[in-house]
Amino acid sequence: QKEVEQDPGPLSVPEGAIVSLNCTYSNSAFQYFMWYRQYSRKGPELLMYTYSSGNKEDGRFTAQVDKSSKYISLFIRDSQPSDSATYLCAMTGGSYIPTFGRGTSLIVHP
Amino acid sequence: ETGVTQSPTHLIKTRGQQVTLRCSSQSGHNTVSWYQQALGQGPQFIFQYYREEENGRGNFPPRFSGLQFPNYSSELNVNALELDDSALYLCASSLAGGASSYNSPLHFGNGTRLTVT
Repeated sequence: QKEVEQDPGPLSVPEGAIVSLNCTYSNSAFQYFMWYRQYSRKGPELLMYTYSSGNKEDGRFTAQVDKSSKYISLFIRDSQPSDSATYLCAMTGGSYIPTFGRGTSLIVHP
Repeated sequence: ETGVTQSPTHLIKTRGQQVTLRCSSQSGHNTVSWYQQALGQGPQFIFQYYREEENGRGNFPPRFSGLQFPNYSSELNVNALELDDSALYLCASSLAGGASSYNSPLHFGNGTRLTVT
């Protein structure tokens, strides 16, 4: 079993939809949780980061962490075609080296 | 503020050869990490350098080696290339070695696409 599990998709949604992206993990030591967005032929860029359980909102993006279930989510409201990318979850505990999921490919069609 | 730049963008090598990939860190960042991203997979940590010393290593063999220079630029060297080394190699810089990436998020370059034939 991998430390971080993420459905690769692709997830295809119409413009304006609410998107839910999720990761599960097995390592109880993880405390810091991140979401990166990676466009085709580009490096990942940090979107959101959260510490421990709870919600964090930034514009159209909301990151949610449930440590009791070892489950994290990223919600995108009013999705746009420009949101089409691969979304990578990443997490770290005492180490400063994040463990990445394999990424979910999101396609938002007009 | 300049971002992280990597060169070359693409490279084709033959099995058994050696390759050097280069990275210029974001201005002011003293820590560089290298990741391997196979197609359809997330980035896998290779190693990290802080103040020119290796500061952590993932599950990669010794034929993967690196250098960090005083100006914080760095190199990834891979010897005796294998077909499975074909991947996107990402460099990421950050501010503090040893700190949680929560406080020191990784800033990635756009990577070098290595193909081994």
